[in-house]
Amino acid sequence: AQSVTQPDIHITVSEGASLELRCNYSYGATPYLFWYVQSPGQGLQLLLKYFSGDTLVQGIKGFEAEFKRSQSSFNLRKPSVHWSDAAEYFCALPDQTGANNLFFGTGTRLTVIP
Amino acid sequence: ETGVTQSPTHLIKTRGQQVTLRCSSQSGHNTVSWYQQALGQGPQFIFQYYREEENGRGNFPPRFSGLQFPNYSSELNVNALELDDSALYLCASSLGSRVMNTEAFFGQGTRLTVV
Repeated sequence: AQSVTQPDIHITVSEGASLELRCNYSYGATPYLFWYVQSPGQGLQLLLKYFSGDTLVQGIKGFEAEFKRSQSSFNLRKPSVHWSDAAEYFCALPDQTGANNLFFGTGTRLTVIP
Repeated sequence: ETGVTQSPTHLIKTRGQQVTLRCSSQSGHNTVSWYQQALGQGPQFIFQYYREEENGRGNFPPRFSGLQFPNYSSELNVNALELDDSALYLCASSLGSRVMNTEAFFGQGTRLTVV
């Protein structure tokens, strides 16, 4: 069965600092991988996704993620964080049982301090 | 703004009651998926409707049921509410059912509190 692990429950960074959110996965094949963001009181918004090809994926809002097969990781990065990036971030992959739904990690909450 | 709207935004129910949550999908989308997000957790898949038929179900009991209408809007019904049903319920609409082939657009959710 698949699994998604986001080891950091909560991360605090200063505005303008760089950010890396970790995601490790377990999957029976080369996975499709997604990062979503959930702002307070909002639904989920897709930041980026990896399907195949280039292992460095660019997304919206200046985010990028790198797929590393050897480490079973898909970490999300941003070079300079803005206060508006404060939110909950979820890593996800397709459910192996049916591929009609996403299987989410438990999320990392990002706090940005001035 | 995703074009996916959910109603109501907040709801308080008593244990044992029944509740209906509604989702209006984005124009042109034929698939709606429902997720439950408990506090401090990631969303968990409840079920998916594709062209008015259930098209996959997660590990939820039968008291969680749904409908999809000809205009592709959807309802989630929960009977015999339990305290553990308290959560944010998210719906996502997409054009097509397979997550690898299409992007799912999420609504803002309905916050259900069971007391």
